[in-house]
Amino acid sequence: GAVVSQHPSRVICKSGTSVKIECRSLDFQATTMFWYRQFPKQSLMLMATSNEGSKATYEQGVEKDKFLINHASLTLSTLTVTSAHPEDSSFYICSATTRRSGNTIYFGEGSWLTVV
Amino acid sequence: ELKVEQNPLFLSMQEKKNYTIYCNYSTTSDRLYWYRQDPGKSLESLFVLLSNGAVKQEGRLMASLDTKARLSTLHITAAVHDLSATYFCAVDEDRDDKIIFGKGTRLHILP
Repeated sequence: GAVVSQHPSRVICKSGTSVKIECRSLDFQATTMFWYRQFPKQSLMLMATSNEGSKATYEQGVEKDKFLINHASLTLSTLTVTSAHPEDSSFYICSATTRRSGNTIYFGEGSWLTVV
Repeated sequence: ELKVEQNPLFLSMQEKKNYTIYCNYSTTSDRLYWYRQDPGKSLESLFVLLSNGAVKQEGRLMASLDTKARLSTLHITAAVHDLSATYFCAVDEDRDDKIIFGKGTRLHILP
């Protein structure tokens, strides 16, 4: 079945540095992927829609210059957290869909980011 | 703005009991999703409901959708401990796969 993979699964970075998270659709092409952020014991909050070959669409309140999204191919979207701060520490999850699976939306395994 | 409300947010129940989680949403939509999340893990897809009156069952879980009432339910039958998890409903308002989540229901089943 369809699989969405994220890398890295866990990352620790220092304040002020940047970190990149990858989201790959392993056996299907995804023209659109979505990025979510989840703080502990909270729900998933949509950050942005990643469109292949074009600019991402950000949700209200999400800083596009801080959370850079690139969707360079039909199987890869990347989220770069720039100038990371401790409050950016969170669980980041991407999703993608394939029509072959009856509109099921698949989520990646998630990436834990800790900024120290 | 689409709002998705779940209740209860926390549920502690005994094994073998039945219970229902409710998901209300604020807009017309005929696409609703239920997910399970275990601590420290990502989401596991449980059900995709794509039309009014849709009902799906898998094991002890059954989900239904009433688009006129803007309500979905997740019913748990004869709960067992391994169903303990957080359950999220999510709604796709514009049929573009951009789904908005409810706050989740943390289910704790006591042995």
